[in-house]
Amino acid sequence: SYELTQPLSVSVALGQTARITCGGNNIGSKNVHWYQQKPGQAPVLVIYRDSNRPSGIPERFSGSNSGNTATLTISRAQAGDEADYYCQVWDSSTAVVFGGGTKLTVL
Amino acid sequence: QITLKESGPTLVKPTQTLTLTCTFSGFSLSTSGVGVGWIRQPPGKALEWLALIYWDDDKRYSPSLKSRLTITKDTSKNQVVLTMTNMDPVDTATYYCALGWGGYDASFDYWGQGTLVTVSS
Repeated sequence: SYELTQPLSVSVALGQTARITCGGNNIGSKNVHWYQQKPGQAPVLVIYRDSNRPSGIPERFSGSNSGNTATLTISRAQAGDEADYYCQVWDSSTAVVFGGGTKLTVL
Repeated sequence: QITLKESGPTLVKPTQTLTLTCTFSGFSLSTSGVGVGWIRQPPGKALEWLALIYWDDDKRYSPSLKSRLTITKDTSKNQVVLTMTNMDPVDTATYYCALGWGGYDASFDYWGQGTLVTVSS
């Protein structure tokens, strides 16, 4: 079965750039989606199909995907960006796969 | 406006069968490319995908839970139902339903608020 690997935690200074990675075998050939989840809330889609932002998501959120790693980049990090972030792909053998999640801390 | 809402029991006993209903509005599950999935999250843990049903009635299940899950849709009622057999305390989690729009590898664009299910005797 297909697996996605995320770091458990990432820290970023206020106003700096945070990068959250999602590793998977040849993930660059798949569409990667990213979700933000704040405590007590349902996940919210922040990036779809590698690098597209849904309506209402700030331009500070961007994504890339190549080789074996997809990356969610959050520029000019704000306190309100503190959350858990999950990557997700669709795999022909496993269907939907989520990464284990990354807790973003803004210092 | 697209909304999804999960409903079902908040407490089930071990070995019982859980039945959850996702009632949605603002879209039709008969529209090409639309899918509704179920995702759960144990307290303090990561998201885990469970099942997905598509507009054409194609169904996909998590390989690790496939033997326990059944997903169905009622297009006329705008509902998707998930049943999970042989519940165990480790199945205690918040269960979400979510809309995927754009084919088999679409993202989950809209989510319900989730419903917490506790498995305990």
